Amino acid sequence: AQKITQTQPGMFVQEKEAVTLDCTYDTSDPSYGLFWYKQPSSGEMIFLIYQGSYDQQNATEGRYSLNFQKARKSANLVISASQLGDSAMYFCAMREGGGANSKLTFGKGITLSVRP
Amino acid sequence: NAGVTQTPKFQVLKTGQSMTLQCAQDMNHEYMSWYRQDPGMGLRLIHYSVGAGITDQGEVPNGYNVSRSTTEDFPLRLLSAAPSQTSVYFCASSPAGGGNQPQHFGDGTRLSIL
Repeated sequence: AQKITQTQPGMFVQEKEAVTLDCTYDTSDPSYGLFWYKQPSSGEMIFLIYQGSYDQQNATEGRYSLNFQKARKSANLVISASQLGDSAMYFCAMREGGGANSKLTFGKGITLSVRP
Repeated sequence: NAGVTQTPKFQVLKTGQSMTLQCAQDMNHEYMSWYRQDPGMGLRLIHYSVGAGITDQGEVPNGYNVSRSTTEDFPLRLLSAAPSQTSVYFCASSPAGGGNQPQHFGDGTRLSIL
């Protein structure tokens, strides 16, 4: 079974509107972390936001927020007030367990296009 | 403010050739890893290291070797290049111990095997 599932086809959003990018995950470990990365057409991987499994509140970073629903095992990224520069591929990733484990498992990504 | 530096940025090889992709980081991170990115597949872990002298296999290790003689460097070696290894390769680093520390990525190496 896939550990990280991103099944949305290419997403489109109008500039200045909000958009939600879906991510579901699968783990039996009670301790885990969820990350979102952005990959623009230039190719670099840019860290956006992190949510820990024990965090009581949803993570927020500027225009990015994470809609974390632990019981449903979903960690959707919400981008508010979309900008043209938000057009990119977005990856959800999970790190399982605590301690020294730093390995990330990535989803297949979602392409977001922002329309002017 | 170099972060993670990968060289080369582009490379074309012939089937059967060997080469080394270089990765260096200047953040004193214990954890380093190599991923490959193929269309529709996301990033898949090839090898990783939790510190100098320690390496381990990831999801797709076949055809690749790594070593970690220093904290800073984590080269990836292709022993005998195959067309299936055509991909974009990313090196990443982070402090050990997980937590909320994100992995910092290099800019990638685009590798084509003919």
